Amino acid sequence: DSGVTQTPKHLITATGQRVTLRCSPRSGDLSVYWYQQSLDQGLQFLIQYYNGEERAKGNILERFSAQQFPDLHSELNLSSLELGDSALYFCASSYSYTGGNIQYFGAGTRLSVL
Amino acid sequence: QKEVEQDPGPLSVPEGAIVSLNCTYSNSAFQYFMWYRQYSRKGPELLMYTYSSGNKEDGRFTAQVDKSSKYISLFIRDSQPSDSATYLCAMSVMGSSNTGKLIFGQGTTLQVKP
Repeated sequence: DSGVTQTPKHLITATGQRVTLRCSPRSGDLSVYWYQQSLDQGLQFLIQYYNGEERAKGNILERFSAQQFPDLHSELNLSSLELGDSALYFCASSYSYTGGNIQYFGAGTRLSVL
Repeated sequence: QKEVEQDPGPLSVPEGAIVSLNCTYSNSAFQYFMWYRQYSRKGPELLMYTYSSGNKEDGRFTAQVDKSSKYISLFIRDSQPSDSATYLCAMSVMGSSNTGKLIFGQGTTLQVKP
């Protein structure tokens, strides 16, 4: 068990809908990362938060947004869902925000858009 | 061209074989190199972590980094059926101005047959 908790484990929804994925980082970790894993693109970095502030953006669509709350949990919001958004979404956490900090991954949320 | 290239396999070996997994990269700023193991429908689990060049050994696993060739390897000795999983290489750059985001290879699927 990595100590990173993601809910829900599986989401099934329809095109055009909006969903929220939740992540609780390991105790003591201040940085949260979101990644998307698809068969054709592999694991891709989406966005990073550190202590409540956005730190970096990667290949994140404008339809997607995230935030980190004062208790350090994070939510990833996906809206106007398309079939191509079906993927595994992982949250990872680390103590700090710089390179070299070990990232621990949650079990992921599997999103199926029908 | 992707920043990190990894042969997706699949790779099938008999139990007890030595397995060699490799990644090449193009960004010379990468300083931190990791290998994650991912079982089906699970989150990535950190196996090995190396800073800069050199070798690191942990039990049956050895990680090698050759920065001059931009090439990293993971060796698994005396492979076991329980090693059957997808192995992902990951890298990040150094410094306080960066984000610590990980750049992943595509992952190599390994099957160890009893």
